[in-house]
Amino acid sequence: GAVVSQHPSWVICKSGTSVKIECRSLDFQATTMFWYRQFPKQSLMLMATSNEGSKATYEQGVEKDKFLINHASLTLSTLTVTSAHPEDSSFYICSASSGLGNQPQHFGDGTRLSIL
Amino acid sequence: AQSVTQPDIHITVSEGASLELRCNYSYGATPYLFWYVQSPGQGLQLLLKYFSGDTLVQGIKGFEAEFKRSQSSFNLRKPSVHWSDAAEYFCAVGGVTGGGNKLTFGTGTQLKVEL
Repeated sequence: GAVVSQHPSWVICKSGTSVKIECRSLDFQATTMFWYRQFPKQSLMLMATSNEGSKATYEQGVEKDKFLINHASLTLSTLTVTSAHPEDSSFYICSASSGLGNQPQHFGDGTRLSIL
Repeated sequence: AQSVTQPDIHITVSEGASLELRCNYSYGATPYLFWYVQSPGQGLQLLLKYFSGDTLVQGIKGFEAEFKRSQSSFNLRKPSVHWSDAAEYFCAVGGVTGGGNKLTFGTGTQLKVEL
């Protein structure tokens, strides 16, 4: 149980393109979803927290207009990297939680984003 | 503010040997503690979690961890390591926020297993 699917797993696109990444909880309702960014050989950096039906809460230093997050249902959240540039290239990982305080986050397999 | 320290960036053990990965945390109240494992190019898999109760927690793949409040530690152990355990291991501390348990991760420990 507690499976999170993230799609696509790998995307390569030209600079200036907008890229959408989907995160789905397959067998549970995810009241809360989290988006992380991970640089090579580093830990996960939380970008934002999204609750179903409300605006995402962004961490300090994360541009909300650059990284658009939508959490329209209890099983789907999307991250759109708008007008992507090479410096946005990274590994993006989502996680989902039922939102209860003592429930763990379950992670997707990540999306490798490469901007040319 | 909550924080997690994983003192060992890299650890190498021989297959069949025992393993202990260290984790120290800082948190103002009773923490929720987690260990995750990440294989290259993949997401994180939950190994085990501690919320309350028995301080020795059993997880998947033969892993266990012990919560020691007096030492602010949550070390991960395995009695006999297998080659397939080679991966990156992350300790995390969480607490209830307005939107569920927000995690703070340590910097990770890269485990290498020698055959």
